Amino acid sequence: DAGITQSPRHKVTETGTPVTLRCHQTENHRYMYWYRQDPGHGLRLIHYSYGVKDTDKGEVSDGYSVSRSKTEDFLLTLESATSSQTSVYFCAISAPGPSDQFFGPGTRLTVL
Amino acid sequence: AQTVTQSQPEMSVQEAETVTLSCTYDTSENNYYLFWYKQPPSRQMILVIRQEAYKQQNATENRFSVNFQKAAKSFSLKISDSQLGDTAMYFCAFMKQGGGADGLTFGKGTHLIIQP
Repeated sequence: DAGITQSPRHKVTETGTPVTLRCHQTENHRYMYWYRQDPGHGLRLIHYSYGVKDTDKGEVSDGYSVSRSKTEDFLLTLESATSSQTSVYFCAISAPGPSDQFFGPGTRLTVL
Repeated sequence: AQTVTQSQPEMSVQEAETVTLSCTYDTSENNYYLFWYKQPPSRQMILVIRQEAYKQQNATENRFSVNFQKAAKSFSLKISDSQLGDTAMYFCAFMKQGGGADGLTFGKGTHLIIQP
């Protein structure tokens, strides 16, 4: 298994509070991604990073920000969580070029 | 933008049978990659198989094989000799060539149930 961990694995929070999810990899892969998974939608890309301090928006980026100060860590922040952000969040990594993406175990976030 | 469609929300077959999951996609790209991912109840996303669009030969991984029809933009997954452990959600996904940084576009998934 690819060395990808996510923390926390589960979190319950209240509307309006800030939340940060962490993705950590030990593979030294250049590309990192955040997806969210909702019933009936499959997985949708939130943000991605193609290097340290290089990030860009995905399909569903509104309400989310990211940061990558080190190769191994990619942080996803919800500045003010809303109930619509209740979801399962997956981090993924890949090497440049035509390379497979490998996924972390996921974080289940509930916003009350 | 790309779209991926999985028209079968749920399928159920008996153990040891062969089952085919359907996937169609829409893209203006000529070079790309297609994937099938498995998500068992543990929630872990597991890569099952990959197909490069420039290859005419269909990809095979043990009991898993694909039927890739580029002109029809179809990419089905065949599971032979199905096992109870194959019970899972299966997602079809698309990636542009050179678009690794852009991430994957997923279908909504097919819930496959293998009955004993």
